Parts: sequence; C-alpha cells; structure tokens
Amino acid sequence: GAGVSQSPSNKVTEKGKDVELRCDPISGHTALYWYRQSLGQGLEFLIYFQGNSAPDKSGLPSDRFSAERTGGSVSTLTIQRTQQEDSAVYLCASSPAGDQTYEQYFGPGTRLTVT
Amino acid sequence: DAKTTQPTSMDCAEGRAANLPCNHSTISGNEYVYWYRQIHSQGPQYIIHGLKNNETNEMASLIITEDRKSSTLILPHATLRDTAVYYCIVSRTGNQFYFGTGTSLTVIP
Repeated sequence: GAGVSQSPSNKVTEKGKDVELRCDPISGHTALYWYRQSLGQGLEFLIYFQGNSAPDKSGLPSDRFSAERTGGSVSTLTIQRTQQEDSAVYLCASSPAGDQTYEQYFGPGTRLTVT
Repeated sequence: DAKTTQPTSMDCAEGRAANLPCNHSTISGNEYVYWYRQIHSQGPQYIIHGLKNNETNEMASLIITEDRKSSTLILPHATLRDTAVYYCIVSRTGNQFYFGTGTSLTVIP
C-alpha cells in the first residue's frame, strides 16, 4: 500500500522567506510526527499529533515553527522567516496509534536549504 | 525516557552475523526497546522492537538482557544492503522517540 509521502522532496529558499512542508500519512494512521535531521546528526523530535488531541509541540525550536493537521490526515509544517540554521532534512512519520507498541513509518523527507 | 549508548561505527563481513550492541541502563519497566535503521538519504526504517522477551522477525533478532539494561540487534547474514546507521531507542510513549546518532554499520564484501 501507499506509504508516507512528503512534498516537496527538495526546497531551496532565501533567508527570511516562509516555507511550507507537506506530509501525507498512511491512511488510517492516527498519530503523526515531525522530526528534523541536520547533516550528520540524529533525528530531533519537533511535534506530534494524535487524533483530535492537542498536539505535543514541545520539540519546536522556536515560535517561527508551527504545524497543523487538517481533518486528522494531511499535515503542514510551516517555518516563518527562515534562517540558515533551519537547513536540514525534515522527516514526517505516521503510526497506527500514538503509543510505544506501534512502530513509526517514515516518509522520504524534505531537504530544506536556506541560502 | 531512558537514553541509549551505542558504538559510533562497526564493520561486518558480508554473509556473517552483525551484532549491534546498545546500552540502556536507565530503562524503566514500561519502556520498549526499538531498533530502526537509516540508509543514506532515506527516512528511517523500522526493524524490530521488544519489551522483555527476545524477538525475531524476517529482518533481525533482538536479544534483551534479563535486567533489560542492554540489548543486541542481530542481523543473521549481513548483506551489502544492510550498510546503514542503526538506531536503538527506548521509549515509554509514542511521542518520545530519541534517536541519538546511532551506529554506522558498514558491511564489507
């Protein structure tokens, strides 16, 4: 079946511009996660959505970062006034439920480059 | 959530078993041990997870010590396609996955 998809696959933007990254989770998965991976580093948790509950935003690095999930499906991660340190691969994952007994399925990521 | 310690890198000969260790000495009773791997430029891929008992699936085996303070991921017959970064994670909740920097496994022909 279809996996997690993300778009765009690559995004180059100028410092100060806003960007939107999209994630389409696996159909029926109630949990959705965003992570960031800088070059040569592990994954950094950003935000987590579970069903209709309030999202866990504890990993967002600044108020320039926000995310929403419409209709319990597609999610958009928005970065306002991008900075060079925002350059990274942004990964989305979904899971059948938001507890540790279920694995997360990852998308291919969006590579963001801020010039 | 418990953090993990893994070797930075390992080599393994093709066709041999790859044994990847992970220390998680502060793990608590309700935390699961998960293994993922990330092949260059791709999203992480789930391998296996367990709570107390050893687990086996088509990809790998997971051996968890009796005190649960460490575990070993075993790839029984490593192939060149198994070259990747392997992450050991312990987590109590689905939204607290700390990936760390993992072990870079290189399978040598």
